[in-house]
Amino acid sequence: AQSVSQHNHHVILSEAASLELGCNYSYGGTVNLFWYVQYPGQHLQLLLKYFSGDPLVKGIKGFEAEFIKSKFSFNLRKPSVQWSDTAEYFCASSSGYSTLTFGKGTMLLVSP
Amino acid sequence: DSGVTQTPKHLITATGQRVTLRCSPRSGDLSVYWYQQSLDQGLQFLIHYYNGEERAKGNILERFSAQQFPDLHSELNLSSLELGDSALYFCASSANPGTVNEKLFFGSGTQLSVL
Repeated sequence: AQSVSQHNHHVILSEAASLELGCNYSYGGTVNLFWYVQYPGQHLQLLLKYFSGDPLVKGIKGFEAEFIKSKFSFNLRKPSVQWSDTAEYFCASSSGYSTLTFGKGTMLLVSP
Repeated sequence: DSGVTQTPKHLITATGQRVTLRCSPRSGDLSVYWYQQSLDQGLQFLIHYYNGEERAKGNILERFSAQQFPDLHSELNLSSLELGDSALYFCASSANPGTVNEKLFFGSGTQLSVL
């Protein structure tokens, strides 16, 4: 069975700081990887996804993630965070037709 | 607005009771997924329906059941409720399940509180 682990439950940053949220997945075969974001009071939205090709994936709002197969990792990055990036971030994986397996989420708080 | 509608937004009930959560997918989406989000377990997949048929089951308790109707809306039924069932229940829909073009659209969730 697949599993996804996110390294930090809570991250606090000041505006303009750089962000990296860790994500590791367990499945050894072909895997699809996702980052979702849930802003306060809103529904989950897709930030970016990786299926194949260039391991550096760019998403919305300046986010990017790098797929490193040898490390089973798919870390989310943003060079300079804003207060509006305060949200909960979920890493997820799927394989073939399997449904998404989510990590437990990382709550990011950006102080102005 | 994701286009996925969940009702009710909040539900408060007592242990032992039964509740029904409703989800209307985005127009044209045939797939409906149900997820449970709790503090200790994170976001867990419960069940997936595609065009009225059950496609996959996750960590769904026997006390829980779901169905998808001909108009594609879905209901999640939770019975014999326990305190530990208190959670945020999300519904998501997608048009192309299992393909590289699949993208899930999530509703805002139903917050269930069992007292």
